[in-house]
Amino acid sequence: DAKTTQPNSMESNEEEPVHLPCNHSTISGTDYIHWYRQLPSQGPEYVIHGLTSNVNNRMASLAIAEDRKSSTLILHRATLRDAAVYYCILRDSWSNQGGKLIFGQGTELSVKP
Amino acid sequence: GAGVSQSPRYKVTKRGQDVALRCDPISGHVSLYWYRQALGQGPEFLTYFNYEAQQDKSGLPNDRFSAERPEGSISTLTIQRTEQRDSAMYRCASSPERAGNSPLHFGNGTRLTVT
Repeated sequence: DAKTTQPNSMESNEEEPVHLPCNHSTISGTDYIHWYRQLPSQGPEYVIHGLTSNVNNRMASLAIAEDRKSSTLILHRATLRDAAVYYCILRDSWSNQGGKLIFGQGTELSVKP
Repeated sequence: GAGVSQSPRYKVTKRGQDVALRCDPISGHVSLYWYRQALGQGPEFLTYFNYEAQQDKSGLPNDRFSAERPEGSISTLTIQRTEQRDSAMYRCASSPERAGNSPLHFGNGTRLTVT
């Protein structure tokens, strides 16, 4: 399984944008880039995913480098409820069998009021 | 609509006993996943199913762990002869499609404590 590298922790101020980086230099052409987050005492929650193009949804934006070896999850205005562990995960789409998600350690985001 | 439901929420058992953890996925979801999560760690993959077929069980730690999904809906994770090191949060997730771009929806988990 292709690996991802994320900073262990990041801090942000409330109502400011947050850019969470992820390196995935061994990504294959058929890997989707997924982001999940886990709030304290809750199960992981899907945030966003993409393949090549940048993606936006109501929760966040995903910026993918042209060579796909890195990506950045963007929270446009952090709130206290965004404090969580954010996981960047590669998921193989080559076979129609889908594939398991392998979680790393993630980035623990803290948001200061 | 209803999310992924897991039962029981909490399970305390004595070492050596067998336990069965249940997962009821979102209706119509094709894929079902089991994960285990220790405190302060990310979820650890155990196994997953597409419909009733177990596609990958490479994450099951040893042969005391098994899972089934006989009718392609509800799944049971069974741990035989439990040991203290089995204590963890066990999480189930389901996904509407098999495709790699389909998101996983997680349940609230079962907290297993082996005494």
